[in-house]
Amino acid sequence: AQSVSQHNHHVILSEAASLELGCNYSYGGTVNLFWYVQYPGQHLQLLLKYFSGDPLVKGIKGFEAEFIKSKFSFNLRKPSVQWSDTAEYFCAVNAPRDDKIIFGKGTRLHILP
Amino acid sequence: DAGITQSPRYKITETGRQVTLMCHQTWSHSYMFWYRQDLGHGLRLIYYSAAADITDKGEVPDGYVVSRSKTENFPLTLESATRSQTSVYFCASLATGANIQYFGAGTRLSVL
Repeated sequence: AQSVSQHNHHVILSEAASLELGCNYSYGGTVNLFWYVQYPGQHLQLLLKYFSGDPLVKGIKGFEAEFIKSKFSFNLRKPSVQWSDTAEYFCAVNAPRDDKIIFGKGTRLHILP
Repeated sequence: DAGITQSPRYKITETGRQVTLMCHQTWSHSYMFWYRQDLGHGLRLIYYSAAADITDKGEVPDGYVVSRSKTENFPLTLESATRSQTSVYFCASLATGANIQYFGAGTRLSVL
């Protein structure tokens, strides 16, 4: 069965620090990968996705993620975080012909002003 | 407005009562989903539906019932609410082909 593991449950950074949130998945075949963001009191929004092609994916608000197939990883990065990036971040995965998307447990990111 | 809407946004109920959470989408997406979000558990799938009149259990279906008589609506019913069902519930729809889920704003349910 597919599963998604997010290594950090809580991350606290200062503004302008660099960010990397880990995500590993377990699935042997071709996968689609996603990062969703949930700002305080809001619903989940898609940050970026990977289906195929260039393994370095650029999303909204300066975020990017790199798919490393050999490591089953899809880590989220941002070179310089802002206070407005305070949110919870969810990694998700599904197989292209599967109708379910499996979510990780989320990482709460808190940016200190 | 186009999109996915959930109602109510907030609900307080008592144990043993029946509660129905509504979800409506205007895109005619085939797939719809119900998740609950709890601290330490992330998002857990309750039920999902591939099309009208087709539903299937997710990870935590016990205590919940769904129906999908129309493509655009996917109500979630708690037949006899329990305190453990206090949670934030999110409905989502899936744009097949694009494989992207779109989420509603959520319903915060408290069972006293």
